[in-house]
Amino acid sequence: KNEVEQSPQNLTAQEGEFITINCSYSVGISALHWLQQHPGGGIVSLFMLSSGKKKHGRLIATINIQEKHSSLHITASHPRDSAVYICSSRIGNQFYFGTGTSLTVIP
Amino acid sequence: GAVVSQHPSWVICKSGTSVKIECRSLDFQATTMFWYRQFPKQSLMLMATSNEGSKATYEQGVEKDKFLINHASLTLSTLTVTSAHPEDSSFYICSASGGATDTQYFGPGTRLTVL
Repeated sequence: KNEVEQSPQNLTAQEGEFITINCSYSVGISALHWLQQHPGGGIVSLFMLSSGKKKHGRLIATINIQEKHSSLHITASHPRDSAVYICSSRIGNQFYFGTGTSLTVIP
Repeated sequence: GAVVSQHPSWVICKSGTSVKIECRSLDFQATTMFWYRQFPKQSLMLMATSNEGSKATYEQGVEKDKFLINHASLTLSTLTVTSAHPEDSSFYICSASGGATDTQYFGPGTRLTVL
């Protein structure tokens, strides 16, 4: 079984701040996903990565396979970034989810 | 990106009745669909994985006779909650994947309330 831990659980930031959310997992994986869930419940898949770094707009995701660690960064944060961010590891067709990081960005 | 729809978006039913939730991939063929449930303030919990044309694979602790999953076509999967109880009240979310990227596309979710 793969344990996925996220930190912090809750995060409040001022608009414009640089934000980092961390995710650690316990066993080797085939891929790691970052998901964003808005207050209404809808979920968007932000990134799927198995090595290195990916960037999309103001979002950057990195993964260190040796350390079994991934980070999600948000540059120039905005109130519309307020959501729950969930890290999920995948081994074949098995998925393991972190408990989520609730981010609130204050104007 | 690809679109996945769910129907209904919310449903209220009486205890003992059955409820069917549909998950459709609108613009791609979903070889695999996933069903999740989420309780308030908690993360996603994978219930089952279904591949088109074959029986669903249920996660440990999920009753397959209570949560019936059918994935009869490449664009439709259904989850039927049979003999619903108040403790089945939850947010049910499906996701679908297919194609080279293997990315999951999530439906908007169905909020089930059992009275």
